Amino acid sequence: GQQLNQSPQSMFIQEGEDVSMNCTSSSIFNTWLWYKQEPGEGPVLLIALYKAGELTSNGRLTAQFGITRKDSFLNISASIPSDVGIYFCAGRRNAGKSTFGDGTTLTVKP
Amino acid sequence: GAGVSQSPSNKVTEKGKDVELRCDPISGHTALYWYRQSLGQGLEFLIYFQGNSAPDKSGLPSDRFSAERTGGSVSTLTIQRTQQEDSAVYLCASSLVGGGATDEQFFGPGTRLTVL
Repeated sequence: GQQLNQSPQSMFIQEGEDVSMNCTSSSIFNTWLWYKQEPGEGPVLLIALYKAGELTSNGRLTAQFGITRKDSFLNISASIPSDVGIYFCAGRRNAGKSTFGDGTTLTVKP
Repeated sequence: GAGVSQSPSNKVTEKGKDVELRCDPISGHTALYWYRQSLGQGLEFLIYFQGNSAPDKSGLPSDRFSAERTGGSVSTLTIQRTQQEDSAVYLCASSLVGGGATDEQFFGPGTRLTVL
């Protein structure tokens, strides 16, 4: 079963608002990843985090790797309609498989 | 093509039938992964191939599931005697080396399997 707890499960926001979502785990990961998935597509990597405490930005997206290596958050500033989709966190220990959260479904109202 | 491709995009089958799902990874990628995504859920790891090493099959849910990767490229996921709970989107991903913290997985669009 899933080892990552991702919240919130869904968000309904107005265009221009900021968004925050997070993931927690009972175990340590060496890499945290944030993906976005749109209907009919596979997930696309948004941000990858490799060091505890690391804060990384990609345009309007900012993500942090928690100090304990058991959590991460993703912020989206000034949301726009094309931000709609499902956002997944994923943790990876070493080479190979990633463990995914259940996703946060984001709806942006114009 | 430049990305990971999967076929078919949709598959409807009857309970008890066998199905084969195909994945063509990005050329030159040595690692290949299969995940399953049930409705409203995250991705569940199934199996991972890395070069010529023995695959990591730790995520396969039962012995009805198997996968092969021929010639280090194309992979086929086979589900025998399908059950209704097998209905899901099956996603394939590939990565360049399959090792190291910075190795990015690129996903295909998935095959949506419906078992009636």
